[in-house]
Amino acid sequence: ETGVTQSPTHLIKTRGQQVTLRCSSQSGHNTVSWYQQALGQGPQFIFQYYREEENGRGNFPPRFSGLQFPNYSSELNVNALELDDSALYLCASSLSLAGTYEQYFGPGTRLTVT
Amino acid sequence: RKEVEQDPGPFNVPEGATVAFNCTYSNSASQSFFWYRQDCRKEPKLLMSVYSSGNEDGRFTAQLNRASQYISLLIRDSKLSDSATYLCVVNRGTGYQKVTFGIGTKLQVIP
Repeated sequence: ETGVTQSPTHLIKTRGQQVTLRCSSQSGHNTVSWYQQALGQGPQFIFQYYREEENGRGNFPPRFSGLQFPNYSSELNVNALELDDSALYLCASSLSLAGTYEQYFGPGTRLTVT
Repeated sequence: RKEVEQDPGPFNVPEGATVAFNCTYSNSASQSFFWYRQDCRKEPKLLMSVYSSGNEDGRFTAQLNRASQYISLLIRDSKLSDSATYLCVVNRGTGYQKVTFGIGTKLQVIP
């Protein structure tokens, strides 16, 4: 069984730039969720994709967008980067069956915006 | 009021001790509950789901109290390797997931 992978591991960007983060879900999982975790905080839900469609969104502005591909891998895109976007970005995959929402996380991408 | 509240700690306990964490949630429609463990600068890892009847996995016991809207995690016979941050997770999704993490409770087990 292949676990959740994310790339890149670390990234440094300048304010105003755009970034794309990538995630491959665990084998057999059809749902991908993205989270932002600032230092000393719990992960904050950004959005979720199920069968290539956005299936729920947290309190993040539209400059945070995403995609899910037919193989269930996913991208998170952030436009017009701000200093506060510096955080660990986590991808989690799950198999959405009624009553079971256990998620498995990738190692994350640490984004620094300068 | 925050949707999910946890005491951030730190809880410093000696090896072998029993320690318990609580987590309260505000939305009575919440559907499912989990505890995750997160080591420093690593991703969260699923520790256990929390069922209405309570559940146990070795030294770890999780309980759900819907009437008072809290979940708990009990760790018996603490090991040094239990040192981590424990995240409470509440899912109020029906048909889709809407997951809220607590801030996490930091546990330090001392020799």
